[in-house]
Order: sequence, then structure tokens, then C-alpha cells
Amino acid sequence: DQQVKQNSPSLSVQEGRISILNCDYTNSMFDYFLWYKKYPAEGPTFLISISSIKDKNEDGRFTVFLNKSAKHLSLHIVPSQPGDSAVYFCAASAQGGSEKLVFGKGMKLTVNP
Amino acid sequence: NAGVMQNPRHLVRRRGQEARLRCSPMKGHSHVYWYRQLPEEGLKFMVYLQKENIIDESGMPKERFSAEFPKEGPSILRIQQVVRGDSAAYFCASSPNNPRNIQYFGAGTRLSVL
Repeated sequence: DQQVKQNSPSLSVQEGRISILNCDYTNSMFDYFLWYKKYPAEGPTFLISISSIKDKNEDGRFTVFLNKSAKHLSLHIVPSQPGDSAVYFCAASAQGGSEKLVFGKGMKLTVNP
Repeated sequence: NAGVMQNPRHLVRRRGQEARLRCSPMKGHSHVYWYRQLPEEGLKFMVYLQKENIIDESGMPKERFSAEFPKEGPSILRIQQVVRGDSAAYFCASSPNNPRNIQYFGAGTRLSVL
């Protein structure tokens, strides 16, 4: 039962362009969402988060959008840089829970110079 | 400020042996989480601990797996009588009480069972 879905396994973009990474969820109890970036042989690194009371959060080149009615969120990276090449994970947690994170399977982003 | 420290980074065990994975949370963090990542999969929650307490172990296999976070020292994930299916990357994360749910991860321990 995949509660957090990242349906595209990979994305390739040109340096300087926008990268859009998508994530869908099924559990309506989720109220906090996070994006992590992961390089090979390293642990996930926190990028940005958003609470369900908001529909947008921005931090530098990274913006996360949340559409609660569609149970969909997206991460925009602009402009994309070669150092952004990594696997990106979407994660969610539910209110009143143990704060455990439910992760998607990840999406590999490649930014070409 | 040191990050989450996990050791060993790589661990090789033969079937039937025990594996002990250690995690020291970031300074000031009192919440520790363990996750497992199988190849081509996302991270799967295993257990959530605070000092001397297991808060949520709903993701832990019922047998052979145990975790602790003692008053002093690192958190330990223990796998007894390992099998080949236990081969995976095990990640530890820690968080402060606030802000909610930003968990900071260690580099992981890669367990290989021969």
C-alpha cells in the first residue's frame, strides 16, 4: 500500500531550466510534507517542507506547492544546477501520529550542463 | 555541530550472525528514528524512540529485530540471526522537539548478509 507516490522514476533537464518533481498521496490524514535530496552512499538531506495549512513554501531556488484537494505536491527547482543531480524523495507525516515519515520511492534528477 | 553519526558505515555478516547498528543523534536531539531502504525502494519506517522509551515500533519485524535508546550512549538497532533478506541500507534520523518533523539523517549503515 503505497501511500506516497512518485510516479516518475527519473527526470532530465538542462542547466538553468526549471525542474518540476511531482508527488501524490492517498492518506488524507497527512498534514506535513517534506522533500529530501539523496546522493549515492549518503543519507537523505532535508530540503524544504510544507504544512497543510499552506499551499506554497519557498526557500531560495526551491519552492514546494501543495494542492490538498488533489492530494498532490510538487517541488520546483529554478534555475536547475548540475549539483542538483540526485535522487529526490517526497515524505509525509500524519497529525497525531508518532511523527514517522512515509516516503515515496524517489525520483532521480539529472541536470545536464 | 556534528550531524547524526552512524557506525559502522558498512557491515558484513554471515547468515545466522548478529548485527548491531549504532546511531548518535545530533546534539540536543532527543528523538531517534530508524528507517530501512531496500534497493530501488524508498525508506521504510521501522521504529521511533526517545531516551529509554520506544514510542512507535509499528514498522519493526516481529522477530529478530530490536532497538533501544539508553539514557547514556547511542541508539542501537539489533538484528539477530540475520538472513539474506536483511541486506539493506539502514538509516537513523534525529529531530528536536521543534520544529515538528524535520528529521535529520545519518549517512547510513549498509548491511550485507552473505
